Amino acid sequence: GESVGLHLPTLSVQEGDNSIINCAYSNSASDYFIWYKQESGKGPQFIIDIRSNMDKRQGQRVTVLLNKTVKHLSLQIAATQPGDSAVYFCAETYRGSTLGRLYFGRGTQLTVWP
Amino acid sequence: DVKVTQSSRYLVKRTGEKVFLECVQDMDHENMFWYRQDPGLGLRLIYFSYDVKMKEKGDIPEGYSVSREKKERFSLILESASTNQTSMYLCASSLAGRGTDTQYFGPGTRLTVL
Repeated sequence: GESVGLHLPTLSVQEGDNSIINCAYSNSASDYFIWYKQESGKGPQFIIDIRSNMDKRQGQRVTVLLNKTVKHLSLQIAATQPGDSAVYFCAETYRGSTLGRLYFGRGTQLTVWP
Repeated sequence: DVKVTQSSRYLVKRTGEKVFLECVQDMDHENMFWYRQDPGLGLRLIYFSYDVKMKEKGDIPEGYSVSREKKERFSLILESASTNQTSMYLCASSLAGRGTDTQYFGPGTRLTVL
């Protein structure tokens, strides 16, 4: 079956520090990855995505790195702010999967303290 | 911006009641999804639909049914609610076609079954 998981269920960082959230996957056919942010009481919100033909993609204060050799995905948040406190999910899809279907990891709770 | 709305943020029902959860998206997306989210279990796919009147079972369809009579609306039905269906229910939508797998989520409905 699909396996999109996270190394750490919780992460606490100080405001202003950089955060790194990790995700492992096991399917070598995985070709598209997404990071979502879910604040308390809200639905998941798209942050950034990356395709398997890329190693790195940057957004505003966020960078996603993809290491296909070890099947590892990470989300880096620069200068973490209190508003970044949320659960972060990685999701993937792969060649041969049902069109449109995503497979989600269980999430990492990021807590930012002053 | 994509907007996915869900009919209720909070819902309290009694065991045995028939429950309807409604989801509407305004971006003409072909694909729509229903998930439930429970602590420690992440997002689990109940049903999805890739076209009007079409539906596919997800990973946990038991006890649920769905209806998609119009493209913009996807309903989740609990035929006879049970306490183990107390959960957060999330609806999502996405465009059809490979490479457009990003799903956009609604705010969620927190259902409590007494």
